[in-house]
Amino acid sequence: AQTVTQSQPEMSVQEAETVTLSCTYDTSESDYYLFWYKQPPSRQMILVIRQEAYKQQNATENRFSVNFQKAAKSFSLKISDSQLGDAAMYFCAYDLPGNEKLTFGTGTRLTIIP
Amino acid sequence: EAGVAQSPRYKIIEKRQSVAFWCNPISGHATLYWYQQILGQGPKLLIQFQNNGVVDDSQLPKDRFSAERLKGVDSTLKIQPAKLEDSAVYLCASSLGILAGDGDTQYFGPGTRLTVL
Repeated sequence: AQTVTQSQPEMSVQEAETVTLSCTYDTSESDYYLFWYKQPPSRQMILVIRQEAYKQQNATENRFSVNFQKAAKSFSLKISDSQLGDAAMYFCAYDLPGNEKLTFGTGTRLTIIP
Repeated sequence: EAGVAQSPRYKIIEKRQSVAFWCNPISGHATLYWYQQILGQGPKLLIQFQNNGVVDDSQLPKDRFSAERLKGVDSTLKIQPAKLEDSAVYLCASSLGILAGDGDTQYFGPGTRLTVL
């Protein structure tokens, strides 16, 4: 079974600085999807970024980028120029193409220090 | 484009009572999911619908939980009778479906926070 591990329960960063959230996963598959979701206190899960395993290029969405290391089964999220609105729980998730079943990690709570 | 709608946002009940949650997915999304998220954990899939058929309900406690998807659009999740350990956030999500080719992206609603006393 696939597992997703987020080893940092909590992280904090000064506003305008850069922070990296870690995620590792275990799978025997070669093709899969990886996601980072953000869950603010409002509870709504918001898609931050998605990576397709067969693409070597790291995904980027504005201030958010990933470092996808397929051999190491690592998928970290980098947030540049951190803003107060980035404060939230961040969940890493895994899915097999066509499977449509997300496996989530336990989350990392990110605090932004003004 | 309207997002996934859920109601109510909050619900407080006594144990052994029943409760129902409602979800309206994004228009055109074939697949609908219900997740349970206990405080401090990631969401856990309870049930997955493809149109109005159940794809996976292996983690749904069927002795007390039930769900249906009316005409392949709206869905309701019911708990009867509720237990203390059912206190959680219940999230609904939808996606275009297996053949859509959009990377299986799921879009979530705002969730319902259930407290069982």
